[in-house]
Amino acid sequence: QQQVKQSPQSLIVQKGGISIINCAYENTAFDYFPWYQQFPGKGPALLIAIRPDVSEKKEGRFTISFNKSAKQFSLHIMDSQPGDSATYFCAASIGTASKLTFGTGTRLQVTL
Amino acid sequence: NAGVTQTPKFRILKIGQSMTLQCAQDMNHNYMYWYRQDPGMGLKLIYYSVGAGITDKGEVPNGYNVSRSTTEDFPLRLELAAPSQTSVYFCASRLSTGFQPQHFGDGTRLSIL
Repeated sequence: QQQVKQSPQSLIVQKGGISIINCAYENTAFDYFPWYQQFPGKGPALLIAIRPDVSEKKEGRFTISFNKSAKQFSLHIMDSQPGDSATYFCAASIGTASKLTFGTGTRLQVTL
Repeated sequence: NAGVTQTPKFRILKIGQSMTLQCAQDMNHNYMYWYRQDPGMGLKLIYYSVGAGITDKGEVPNGYNVSRSTTEDFPLRLELAAPSQTSVYFCASRLSTGFQPQHFGDGTRLSIL
């Protein structure tokens, strides 16, 4: 059972455009929703995270939008740059042990 | 600081062999995790530890064992390697207080032939 569903699987965006990646979750006990960025040959690195008591969080060009009633959250990358080309994973966890349940990933390519 | 260090980076095993994937962190993190990443499947939790001497199973523990004798080290043992264990393995660690991010190593790419 996949508890966090992520879409799209791949995404091509022109430089300067907006990249949008969506995730949906099933378990209402999740209380922490991070997004990770992964470059080839490297481990995932935290990009931005949100808790369910807020509807939006912005850090630079990256924004998480969170809809608790719909059990959905999304990552928006404004002014996308070629250096943003990577695989992005949404994730969710419960409580202090913070065992992450990952989405299946989105491969983003930003073209010139 | 080195962060989370995983060794080896690459390994090829024959079916039935065993090996230990090493993970060490120098950030004094209590919590440590092992994940496997298969193509198109995201990362799945194998085992985790909330401190020295304490380990617990994750989503996909079968065929693996762990131990945690020190805060710094969290090795993952594969016994009787099988082709289904071909994957990229990531170790991660985090502080135990609040909603802290997990810091990942760069992975071990393991092929079992």
